[in-house]
Amino acid sequence: DAGVTQSPTHLIKTRGQQVTLRCSPKSGHDTVSWYQQALGQGPQFIFQYYEEEERQRGNFPDRFSGHQFPNYSSELNVNALLLGDSALYLCASSPGTEPYEQYFGPGTRLTVT
Amino acid sequence: RKEVEQDPGPFNVPEGATVAFNCTYSNSASQSFFWYRQDCRKEPKLLMSVYSSGNEDGRFTAQLNRASQYISLLIRDSKLSDSATYLCVVKKGGSYIPTFGRGTSLIVHP
Repeated sequence: DAGVTQSPTHLIKTRGQQVTLRCSPKSGHDTVSWYQQALGQGPQFIFQYYEEEERQRGNFPDRFSGHQFPNYSSELNVNALLLGDSALYLCASSPGTEPYEQYFGPGTRLTVT
Repeated sequence: RKEVEQDPGPFNVPEGATVAFNCTYSNSASQSFFWYRQDCRKEPKLLMSVYSSGNEDGRFTAQLNRASQYISLLIRDSKLSDSATYLCVVKKGGSYIPTFGRGTSLIVHP
């Protein structure tokens, strides 16, 4: 049973560029959430997708957008990259029902120079 | 006041010790509680959900105190492999947004 997968594992981009990160959820899960984790901090919720729609959004600017496909996989897009966007980006999948136990992928480490 | 607060530590304990972490939350509408473990530069892994009646999984015991708004994690007979950061997660009822604490670092030494 494959767990949550993410690609790429590492990425280096320049300020102002755009990036797309990808996630495939664990088998049987239909809900995907994205998080940003800075060093020494807990993951910060970006948004959650369910049934191909953004179900809830955290406190992140519109530069952060996403998409969910019919097979439940998801993409996170970040436009106009800033130095402060350098972080570990985590994708988590969960079943669509309480208590929403989430399972994380290995993450994509993004460095913006 | 932060929504979820944890002592960042580090907690430095010898093998075989018992160690306990607390996590306080500010929103009384919180309904779901979890503990995650995160190794250095790896993803968080679900350790256990925390139920009102408390729950135990081997050497790990989680408790919820709604009156004082905190959850706890007790680790008995610590192993070197328990060294990690332990993240507390709290979710309000009706919300899909879990809030993570910044984590408590545990170092188990020989």
